[in-house]
Amino acid sequence: ETGVTQTPRHLVMGMTNKKSLKCEQHLGHNAMYWYKQSAKKPLELMFVYNFKEQTENNSVPSRFSPECPNSSHLFLHLHTLQPEDSALYLCASSQGASGSGETQYFGPGTRLLVL
Amino acid sequence: DAKTTQPTSMDCAEGRAANLPCNHSTISGNEYVYWYRQIHSQGPQYIIHGLKNNETNEMASLIITEDRKSSTLILPHATLRDTAVYYCIVRVYGSSNTGKLIFGQGTTLQVKP
Repeated sequence: ETGVTQTPRHLVMGMTNKKSLKCEQHLGHNAMYWYKQSAKKPLELMFVYNFKEQTENNSVPSRFSPECPNSSHLFLHLHTLQPEDSALYLCASSQGASGSGETQYFGPGTRLLVL
Repeated sequence: DAKTTQPTSMDCAEGRAANLPCNHSTISGNEYVYWYRQIHSQGPQYIIHGLKNNETNEMASLIITEDRKSSTLILPHATLRDTAVYYCIVRVYGSSNTGKLIFGQGTTLQVKP
């Protein structure tokens, strides 16, 4: 248990559906992250939020829409996804400060399958 | 792009020490070396990190060479549950000075009975 929870743990959706992934951290951190891990590939950073403000968007397609209402919650809204978007989506958080405060703690991930 | 180089895979006998090497020859003076591991289909787990001194915690030891161009993660008594992909990462600062972790392919460690 890392203090970062993600729901749902598994999700199957059609290409015309709209769904949302939720992440919550109970660590008092100020920075939150979304990563994507496709089969047999390294983790890819998607978005970074620091104090609720988006600070990084790693050229992610607009069918992925993040939302960070407060420092404890992070959402990833999904719409009109493609089958190649099937992957493990991981959320992480960190203190957000420099130095050792950058240690990121990951949630268990949401396994997404797009049909 | 990842700034580290690791062997693709390694084997280790149960109960023995597992020594996982990592090269990071282009590391900058203020960049930390982080180690994470990922057990199949789970989220990555933080192990240890360091700047230039050797570090030890309840999970592992991190040995960083004096020139900081390479490091070794040591699991002193590997168990079957240590079978995982181990990532050596050099933190890169993002646009807002929030650190970004760039994951490479990592080393798949197989602990065998």
